[in-house]
Amino acid sequence: KQEVTQIPAALSVPEGENLVLNCSFTDSAIYNLQWFRQDPGKGLTSLLLIQSSQREQTSGRLNASLDKSSGRSTLYIAASQPGDSATYLCAVTDSGNTPLVFGKGTRLSVIA
Amino acid sequence: NAGVTQTPKFQVLKTGQSMTLQCAQDMNHEYMSWYRQDPGMGLRLIHYSVGAGITDQGEVPNGYNVSRSTTEDFPLRLLSAAPSQTSVYFCASSSLQRGTYNEQFFGPGTRLTVL
Repeated sequence: KQEVTQIPAALSVPEGENLVLNCSFTDSAIYNLQWFRQDPGKGLTSLLLIQSSQREQTSGRLNASLDKSSGRSTLYIAASQPGDSATYLCAVTDSGNTPLVFGKGTRLSVIA
Repeated sequence: NAGVTQTPKFQVLKTGQSMTLQCAQDMNHEYMSWYRQDPGMGLRLIHYSVGAGITDQGEVPNGYNVSRSTTEDFPLRLLSAAPSQTSVYFCASSSLQRGTYNEQFFGPGTRLTVL
């Protein structure tokens, strides 16, 4: 059974810092991996989708990488801003075509 | 496009009552699903569908029913509400490519309290 882990559970950084959020998964035979952002009391907003054949995807200040063989993905946020404060979730679709399996998220606070 | 919409936004039920959470999408997506989100438990899949007339159980299906009569709509029915069903419920959808899920889009959620 696929399991997704995100460490740390919470992270606090000063404004302007570059940071990395980590996601690991137990079954490396995935089809894709998706990063989401969730603001308090809100739904999930899709940030980036990486297909299994890709190594990374970029959107603005966000860069997500994927290393299937080691079962890891990272979300890099450049020049963090207070508006980046949210919970970041990663989720995978694996080779069994099971619908998205989620990690429990990393709660990010960017301090002005 | 409205994307994925959910109604109601908030609901309070008494134990034993039944209700239906509504979910609709206007992106012609084949795949739709329901998740519940609880503190410390993360997001857990309740039921999902890969097309009209096709549904399947997820990780936590007990106490919930679904049906998919149209591509656009995927309602979630609580048969006899219990306090353990107090949660935030999210509906999601995506297109399918060769049977695999593409980027998934989520609705704003329904916050349900069962007294």
